[in-house]
Amino acid sequence: QQPVQSPQAVILREGEDAVINCSSSKALYSVHWYRQKHGEAPVFLMILLKGGEQKGHEKISASFNEKKQQSSLYLTASQLSYSGTYFCGTEKGSQGNLIFGKGTKLSVKP
Amino acid sequence: DAMVIQNPRYQVTQFGKPVTLSCSQTLNHNVMYWYQQKSSQAPKLLFHYYDKDFNNEADTPDNFQSRRPNTSFCFLDIRSPGLGDAAMYLCATSRDLGREGLYEQYFGPGTRLTVT
Repeated sequence: QQPVQSPQAVILREGEDAVINCSSSKALYSVHWYRQKHGEAPVFLMILLKGGEQKGHEKISASFNEKKQQSSLYLTASQLSYSGTYFCGTEKGSQGNLIFGKGTKLSVKP
Repeated sequence: DAMVIQNPRYQVTQFGKPVTLSCSQTLNHNVMYWYQQKSSQAPKLLFHYYDKDFNNEADTPDNFQSRRPNTSFCFLDIRSPGLGDAAMYLCATSRDLGREGLYEQYFGPGTRLTVT
């Protein structure tokens, strides 16, 4: 099943913080986060694995609550370049085949 | 620079006329994926190759097929495009790092398909 993201959209001023949430109705081994700017391809941000292992960008932080089947992406001191649509993805199989949530559109204003 | 390349970037085809989209990669990744993304929607996985093994998603229409002649190239064939197939088609690659779930995907720029 498709993971559920919230909020659907958020507008920030530069320097403000935001949290994007992703939840699943099934048990997860990993959660993947990608950002897509308008007209561009998605770009990898982070993978969080069951057990606490993470792989991703140093400036991005996220959490993964395995018991609650939830993940949150934390964007602090937002910059204009953070604008875009953020997708979380959960596994459909064991070879990286993901199902993405509907996305959260983040707009950062000057 | 190692990368994922998709050609063409824009493709216009007629209703029912077969079309092929191509993807190539210089990353030497063993996994390749094809996604369909419609406007303001999430990318939807159509199928993927793990090495030479083809894995079709259950809800991918038969109208969509794929070929992977070698590690570097992968093709998406749409046999009889309908108006509903107009979308951005994204190719992505990844490699097996020997750890379940650890598949960082690198996306190509996409091919925007228009069906007239």
